[in-house]
Amino acid sequence: AQSVTQLGSHVSVSEGALVLLRCNYSSSVPPYLFWYVQYPNQGLQLLLKYTSAATLVKGINGFEAEFKKSETSFHLTKPSAHMSDAAEYFCAVSDGDNTDKLIFGTGTRLQVFP
Amino acid sequence: NAGVTQTPKFQVLKTGQSMTLQCAQDMNHEYMSWYRQDPGMGLRLIHYSVGAGITDQGEVPNGYNVSRSTTEDFPLRLLSAAPSQTSVYFCASSRGTAAYTEAFFGQGTRLTVV
Repeated sequence: AQSVTQLGSHVSVSEGALVLLRCNYSSSVPPYLFWYVQYPNQGLQLLLKYTSAATLVKGINGFEAEFKKSETSFHLTKPSAHMSDAAEYFCAVSDGDNTDKLIFGTGTRLQVFP
Repeated sequence: NAGVTQTPKFQVLKTGQSMTLQCAQDMNHEYMSWYRQDPGMGLRLIHYSVGAGITDQGEVPNGYNVSRSTTEDFPLRLLSAAPSQTSVYFCASSRGTAAYTEAFFGQGTRLTVV
């Protein structure tokens, strides 16, 4: 079965600093990968997804992620953090045996300090 | 646009009680799913459905039942609540399989079992 590992349950950055949230996947075949964001007391919202069309994927709110097969990684970045980016971020992968299923990582809570 | 609606938002149950968490979507999505979110564990799939009359088990199905009699509704039933079922529950829907299309999430139901 597929899985994703998110390194760092909490990440803190200053406003204007680079945001880097790490995600590594386990897969023997190219997977479908996703980043979702959860703002306080809300459901999850899709930020971006990789479906093998391009290795650099741009999402909403200035976020992007790069698929690196050699590193089995799909890290999420944003050049300049904003206070409104404070949220929990989840990396997810589709189950290779059953693409109906999404497998989520444990999440990374991003704090942004002024 | 209502999207995915979950009711109730909060619920406290006594051990052994049963209840149904409601989920409804108005986007005519075929695919619906239930997740539970626990601290440090991300989201785990409980049950999912690829269309009316079709359901299947996810990662953590024990203690939960589902049915899908209409495209719009996908209720989750707790048969005999246990403290281990204290969690935040999210319902999601998507137009197609989770791997290819965006999943839309409800705002969650926070359940406490005492």
